[in-house]
Amino acid sequence: KQEVTQIPAALSVPEGENLVLNCSFTDSAIYNLQWFRQDPGKGLTSLLLIQSSQREQTSGRLNASLDKSSGRSTLYIAASQPGDSATYLCAVILDSNYQLIWGAGTKLIIKP
Amino acid sequence: EAGVVQSPRYKIIEKKQPVAFWCNPISGHNTLYWYRQNLGQGPELLIRYENEEAVDDSQLPKDRFSAERLKGVDSTLKIQPAELGDSAVYLCASSLSLALGPSGANVLTFGAGSRLTVL
Repeated sequence: KQEVTQIPAALSVPEGENLVLNCSFTDSAIYNLQWFRQDPGKGLTSLLLIQSSQREQTSGRLNASLDKSSGRSTLYIAASQPGDSATYLCAVILDSNYQLIWGAGTKLIIKP
Repeated sequence: EAGVVQSPRYKIIEKKQPVAFWCNPISGHNTLYWYRQNLGQGPELLIRYENEEAVDDSQLPKDRFSAERLKGVDSTLKIQPAELGDSAVYLCASSLSLALGPSGANVLTFGAGSRLTVL
């Protein structure tokens, strides 16, 4: 059974720092992996999607990597800003049945 | 593009009452998802549609929950009767069909959610 884990559950860093959020999954048979952002009381916004054949995707200050063999993905945020404060969730789509399996998220706080 | 539209945004009901949520996905998105999300947790899939067919409803509590997606566009999710434990945010999402193959366009787009409080 596929399990997705995000560590840490919460992270607080000063503005301007570069930081890494981690996502691990137990079964490498994935279709793709997606990173989402969720602001309090709002829906989820897709940040980056990495296909199973890809190693990384970049969008602005965000870079997501994927290592299927080790069951890991990281979301790198460069030069963090207070506006980056949110909960970040990763989700994998299973190759077998296209089910989405979610991590519980990392709550990120960027202190001004 | 209006994005995924959900209504109502908020609903407060007493237990044993019925409630319904509505979702209008992005035009052209064949795949539609209903999720339930509790505070501090990731979303939990309730049902996934490919066009008008429910292809994954294994986690839908069928004794009280029902969903439909007539004509493969809009969808409604109903709870009858509601229980205290149903209090959560109900999220709708849509994407291009995964059956079309791997694509950067398989990105899920979420609505703002419907927050349900059962008293």
